[in-house]
Amino acid sequence: QVHLVESGGGVVQPGRSLRLSCAASGFYFSSYGMNWVRQAPGKGLQWVASTSFDGTTTYYEDSVKGRFTVPRDNSKNTVYLQLNNLRPEDTAVYYCARDRLSRGVDYWGQGVLVTVSS
Amino acid sequence: QSALNQPASVSGSPGQSITISCTGTSSDVGGYNFVSWYQQHPGKAPKLMIYDVSDRPSGVSNRFSGSKSGNTASLTISGLQAEDEADYYCSSYTDRSTYVFGTGTGVTVL
Repeated sequence: QVHLVESGGGVVQPGRSLRLSCAASGFYFSSYGMNWVRQAPGKGLQWVASTSFDGTTTYYEDSVKGRFTVPRDNSKNTVYLQLNNLRPEDTAVYYCARDRLSRGVDYWGQGVLVTVSS
Repeated sequence: QSALNQPASVSGSPGQSITISCTGTSSDVGGYNFVSWYQQHPGKAPKLMIYDVSDRPSGVSNRFSGSKSGNTASLTISGLQAEDEADYYCSSYTDRSTYVFGTGTGVTVL
């Protein structure tokens, strides 16, 4: 069955960087686009970024453009979210989610908490 | 990209039907039949309930159904059960090749 496991979260100071990982199993990872979605404490879901199956095409939500990137390593069945120049408003649970060919996301990981605070 | 608009809360008694609306624009909901609905229980990851406006993934109860008219999509839960109490979010593909989520609706079973 499809399994997505995020890791790498924690507490980080404003302006610093963090890299999240999402390890995938149970499906042919190299054939699927992947997404990152976040949820601030007590708030709703917000799509953050996506990468195509081969990593050549990426898209970002406006508030993270230029600060976040979403590389992937198909040899390791892993997608990453590189978070740079973090701001307090980036504090959230970050989920990775499998893409359904631009028709939405289907499977989600359990999420990982990122707290940006001095 | 502004979030899709959903009512903050909807409630119903066991056995009743409720409908949650999701209003966007012609750049998202109205422009594509790529609307999804997710159920999220407290402290848990979202779960896909409806995709492509009205299709159900394997294993999701047929009490859940979806539809769309113009720029508004809807999720109907029939035969409301206690386990349906959760937050529900719609999502749509957009003309910027991104996704946008709804503001979320808390469903209460009275």
